[in-house]
Amino acid sequence: ETGVTQTPRHLVMGMTNKKSLKCEQHLGHNAMYWYKQSAKKPLELMFVYSLEERVENNSVPSRFSPECPNSSHLFLHLHTLQPEDSALYLCASSRTRGNNSPLHFGNGTRLTVT
Amino acid sequence: GNSVTQMEGPVTLSEEAFLTINCTYTATGYPSLFWYVQYPGEGLQLLLKATKADDKGSNKGFEATYRKETTSFHLEKGSVQVSDSAVYFCALPSGNTPLVFGKGTRLSVIA
Repeated sequence: ETGVTQTPRHLVMGMTNKKSLKCEQHLGHNAMYWYKQSAKKPLELMFVYSLEERVENNSVPSRFSPECPNSSHLFLHLHTLQPEDSALYLCASSRTRGNNSPLHFGNGTRLTVT
Repeated sequence: GNSVTQMEGPVTLSEEAFLTINCTYTATGYPSLFWYVQYPGEGLQLLLKATKADDKGSNKGFEATYRKETTSFHLEKGSVQVSDSAVYFCALPSGNTPLVFGKGTRLSVIA
């Protein structure tokens, strides 16, 4: 039990599909995040939610659409993706958005866009 | 914004060798500094952290000291094991961004 659970672990989708990634945290944290991890690139912060409100959107294309229905759940809705969107998508949570609050990561969803 | 630079990998060591992975930072003020580790097929896990200058973070035999004179936070371990094979990330917060990560250093330990 990592505290942060992501499903599915692997996903293969075509460019015209619509799919969603799910993240659930069991730690009572107030902030949740989506990161993208691509080979040979630093982790890229995509979205930040604090107390269910989106507080940061780092110029992510609109084909990625986050949703945070409550403080325990975070979704990333995907549609009309491109092959370059293939990556490991990591969800994380922290007690607060504060600088000293460590991030707890899930094991990620490995996404392949064909 | 704040940033980190860590040594390029991969690093390959024999079991029981000494490990150093270099990390230097550029920051406004003195933010907390972190090392995370990513084992194969998993997400990132916090390995250790230091919250102020001269602090030493330690965990599982790994250590890193927050040195403001050299703006460094190098990761060290005296005797690595095969189970330490993973990717190691140096990180620090930047503005409202929770953490900015280095590119990661892949460590392979061979028996």
